Amino acid sequence: QAVVTQEPSLTVSPGGTVTLTCGSNTGAVTSGHYPYWFQQKPGQAPRTLIYDTSNKHSWTPARFSGSLLGGKAALTLSGAQPEDEAEYYCLLSYSGPRVFGGGTKLTVL
Amino acid sequence: EVQLVESGGGLVQPGRSLRLSCTTSGFTFGDYAMTWFRQAPGKGLEWVGFIRSKPYGGTAEYAASVKGRFTISRDDSKSIAYLQMNSLRAEDTAVYYCIRGGEFDVYDIWGQGTMVTVSS
Repeated sequence: QAVVTQEPSLTVSPGGTVTLTCGSNTGAVTSGHYPYWFQQKPGQAPRTLIYDTSNKHSWTPARFSGSLLGGKAALTLSGAQPEDEAEYYCLLSYSGPRVFGGGTKLTVL
Repeated sequence: EVQLVESGGGLVQPGRSLRLSCTTSGFTFGDYAMTWFRQAPGKGLEWVGFIRSKPYGGTAEYAASVKGRFTISRDDSKSIAYLQMNSLRAEDTAVYYCIRGGEFDVYDIWGQGTMVTVSS
């Protein structure tokens, strides 16, 4: 089974910018992996932020954006807010199985 | 408003079975694939599997960790998706979430989850 890797933890200052990445041990992540990004706050169900690399849902704050960067999927947060402190998970599709990354704990401090 | 509500979780002994339900409202259930994810206590998310909508065959796909033990089904007349879990193991202990979407449908709305504990 494929292994999807994320930074275990990152810290960003309020108002700052941070990029979370999502890599695959099978090679470069492409749009064909249909990358997703999910946000989960403590005690809550996750919610979907980004789908198919860079598309946002109606509830996704404009400060979040998705892209492909250096062979990985990337989630960029520009202008971090205290309420963005959460765990972030990426999900990649592999022609059948879907595989999550281990998650990135983002601290806004 | 689109809503998904999981139910059926609880404490079950190893080797026994449990069926989870995902009761939905606010959309045309039969038009969408439905997916199950799970999250063990203090751990990350894991894809369990999904079921296609009837226009795409209504068939299901599963993670290797549950294949042969879990079955996903759907009742479009009731707008409910099911997760039948057999031969349960301690490592199946998790919060189980249903989510609208899968394969050709975008994942969007999540349920609140239902806890399954496998223990003697």
